[in-house]
Amino acid sequence: EAGVAQSPRYKIIEKRQSVAFWCNPISGHATLYWYQQILGQGPKLLIQFQNNGVVDDSQLPKDRFSAERLKGVDSTLKIQPAKLEDSAVYLCASSLGRIRETQYFGPGTRLLVL
Amino acid sequence: DQQVKQNSPSLSVQEGRISILNCDYTNSMFDYFLWYKKYPAEGPTFLISISSIKDKNEDGRFTVFLNKSAKHLSLHIVPSQPGDSAVYFCAARQNNAGNMLTFGGGTRLMVKP
Repeated sequence: EAGVAQSPRYKIIEKRQSVAFWCNPISGHATLYWYQQILGQGPKLLIQFQNNGVVDDSQLPKDRFSAERLKGVDSTLKIQPAKLEDSAVYLCASSLGRIRETQYFGPGTRLLVL
Repeated sequence: DQQVKQNSPSLSVQEGRISILNCDYTNSMFDYFLWYKKYPAEGPTFLISISSIKDKNEDGRFTVFLNKSAKHLSLHIVPSQPGDSAVYFCAARQNNAGNMLTFGGGTRLMVKP
């Protein structure tokens, strides 16, 4: 079974530029999560989707971050404009459902904002 | 406000010995706890979990202990192997928050041959 796929794996941009990350969850997984992991810290949930609807985006900085999951499968996370403090690994995870299901993580996208 | 804390950023253990990784939490609404393991350039992978109605869960070389009164859990790896060298994250889930996980900051385990 294929795991969670993410691209790109690495991205370097200058502050105030925009960037987008892509995630393809495990086939059949209805719930998709985006996490931000700053160096030396644990992952922090940014947004959770159930199919193509948002379940929780309370920790998403909505002035610059946006995410969508239009057809309930792939998802994109966008940052516009990027700030230096956005440098982090962005992890995508998926699970079968949204209640007490194991989350499976992708390899992440490492973002460096200069 | 860190609700899940792993106070040891790193731990070094000799191969064959026991590794003990600790985790403390503050939110009494957490009722399910998980450990994830992360290798460099990979995403975290699920290792073992425990429900708050239990105080111990074992899976091969890995055992997780939960002390609810102290709001403390620990992961024991016996015997430790060089392949166990990774960053270990403790995570917690709240009983009324769906599947949302709150992670600790991680502990880097190094198992020396």
